[in-house]
Amino acid sequence: DQQVKQNSPSLSVQEGRISILNCDYTNSMFDYFLWYKKYPAEGPTFLISISSIKDKNEDGRFTVFLNKSAKHLSLHIVPSQPGDSAVYFCAAPPGAGSYQLTFGKGTKLSVIP
Amino acid sequence: KAGVTQTPRYLIKTRGQQVTLSCSPISGHRSVSWYQQTPGQGLQFLFEYFSETQRNKGNFPGRFSGRQFSNSRSEMNVSTLELGDSALYLCASSPGQGVRGNTGELFFGEGSRLTVL
Repeated sequence: DQQVKQNSPSLSVQEGRISILNCDYTNSMFDYFLWYKKYPAEGPTFLISISSIKDKNEDGRFTVFLNKSAKHLSLHIVPSQPGDSAVYFCAAPPGAGSYQLTFGKGTKLSVIP
Repeated sequence: KAGVTQTPRYLIKTRGQQVTLSCSPISGHRSVSWYQQTPGQGLQFLFEYFSETQRNKGNFPGRFSGRQFSNSRSEMNVSTLELGDSALYLCASSPGQGVRGNTGELFFGEGSRLTVL
């Protein structure tokens, strides 16, 4: 049972355009979400997070939107840069006080110069 | 500040053998988590330790075990290796208790790539 789903395995975007990566979840108990980025041969690195008390969180070129009623979140990257080419994972913990993250299977973003 | 260090980076074993992987967290971090990454299943949670205590364990068989030492360093062991255990094993550390502590992020190492033949 996949509680966190990233239905697009890959995405290609032109440099300078917007990248939108999507994530759906089924567990209504999830109330905190994180996005990680992973380059080949490296461990994932934290990108941005959002709490369910918000519907948007912004950090520079990265914005995460949360739609609780649809159990959907999305990561927007504007403008996209070639260095953003990586695999992006969304993740959620079961509750406070845990690092037991449930990850989606990831979306590979390719930004074309 | 040194990052999370995992050793060995690559190793090859045969079925039935056992393996021990090591993780040194970022200095001052007391929480260590382990994840398995495979092409088919993605990133799956294995264990979480805080102050030498296992706080959570993922849905893996008993062949997978781990421990944390008083200096926060952690090891995981897989006994009676199977072909399906071939994966990238990632260790992550964090200073607080739970993702809502501090910035909530986990700091991952580069992983140990295990191949079982």
